[in-house]
Amino acid sequence: SAVISQKPSRDICQRGTSLTIQCQVDSQVTMMFWYRQQPGQSLTLIATANQGSEATYESGFVIDKFPISRPNLTFSTLTVSNMSPEDSSIYLCSVEEGLNNEQFFGPGTRLTVL
Amino acid sequence: RKEVEQDPGPFNVPEGATVAFNCTYSNSASQSFFWYRQDCRKEPKLLMSVYSSGNEDGRFTAQLNRASQYISLLIRDSKLSDSATYLCVVNMRTGGFKTIFGAGTRLFVKA
Repeated sequence: SAVISQKPSRDICQRGTSLTIQCQVDSQVTMMFWYRQQPGQSLTLIATANQGSEATYESGFVIDKFPISRPNLTFSTLTVSNMSPEDSSIYLCSVEEGLNNEQFFGPGTRLTVL
Repeated sequence: RKEVEQDPGPFNVPEGATVAFNCTYSNSASQSFFWYRQDCRKEPKLLMSVYSSGNEDGRFTAQLNRASQYISLLIRDSKLSDSATYLCVVNMRTGGFKTIFGAGTRLFVKA
């Protein structure tokens, strides 16, 4: 399966600031996904990052709050803008592989907003 | 109703026990099914896909009942290292594929 890395692995930020999370894959993939996992919860899809077009956002998530870039087939960024403590979460990127569209995840970015 | 529902747990079992997790899904258009394992403070990792005929991987057996929209995972001879959260995951076709994660079932295996 693809090897996925994320940076930073964790950060503590002040409210009102923004953080950009990077996701790098060791092979070319068509779609990359960004998820959020809040404490004690399961994963919630934020958006699908498509190379060459705008990201597709899920209900409850908007581009102004979570702008996404996808400049090529191996890289994507997610920005968490104007952060509040409610944004404290783990943010994970993933890619799909295999005949059954299995998802494989990066190690995650643990964000704490004070 | 949630699209994917799991036993909330936690399950506390002794080493060597057999434990079963259940999962139901609401959308009959669901196409593919998986169990993922997530260790504390780590990302989810694919444990196994679930096929209609049922499938086994060592101590792990997964079964799918499409008529009842039900998936199960059986772990035999539990090890301490099996302690984790087990996520039931469903892919459904909605134009493309949409992946839905269950809330997970916590398993603690004790010596």
